[in-house]
Amino acid sequence: DVVLTQSPLSLPVTLGQPASISCRSSHSLVHSDGNIYLDWFQQRPGQSPRRLIYEASNRDSGVPDRFSGSGSGTDFTLTISRVEAEDVGIYYCMQGTHWPPVTFGGGTKVEIK
Amino acid sequence: QVQLVESGGGVVQPGTSLRLSCATSGFTFSGFGMHWVRQAPGKGLEWVAVIWYDGSKKYYADSVKGRFTISRDDSKSTLYLQINSLTTEDTAVYYCARDLGVVGPTLDYWGQGTLVTVSS
Repeated sequence: DVVLTQSPLSLPVTLGQPASISCRSSHSLVHSDGNIYLDWFQQRPGQSPRRLIYEASNRDSGVPDRFSGSGSGTDFTLTISRVEAEDVGIYYCMQGTHWPPVTFGGGTKVEIK
Repeated sequence: QVQLVESGGGVVQPGTSLRLSCATSGFTFSGFGMHWVRQAPGKGLEWVAVIWYDGSKKYYADSVKGRFTISRDDSKSTLYLQINSLTTEDTAVYYCARDLGVVGPTLDYWGQGTLVTVSS
């Protein structure tokens, strides 16, 4: 199974400052069809997960443009250009290139300093 | 708008069974694969199972294989998860999610979750 390792586990950020979350895969996530099936989710306290980014770099409709995804192969990054208070929560990466099973990263908790 | 509403959770004893439901609306249910994902208290997300849009394929996490059964009723736009031989390790919030993907899965809508607590 593909293992996704997220870092850091916890990310204290000052409002208005950038934040970056890393997701490293045990296997390349480039599918034989050329696509990368790597998504990012946000889970605010007490809420369900919400997809932010699909196929590594495509932002979902309604997601603020301060969120961006990048990467290829085994290394991926979710970047928040300027953190706002509503961004507090836990962020997960998920891969669907080599499935089943679908696998998730362990999560990164973003909090305000 | 797309809605997914889980139900059927509760407090149950080890060794018993439970059936979770996920009632959907706002989209053509029969056209989408569907997943169950769970989250133990204070822990991360764990994929549980998937069923193809037409019910032709079903896959399970190794941790639940042989005990969980995913199914769907397109006439009711509802997804199910039958859970047998419950253990304390099955205690979690169970989410259903819609799969928008064609090749690789991508879970674009999630329900609010239903809590299953296994305790004697």
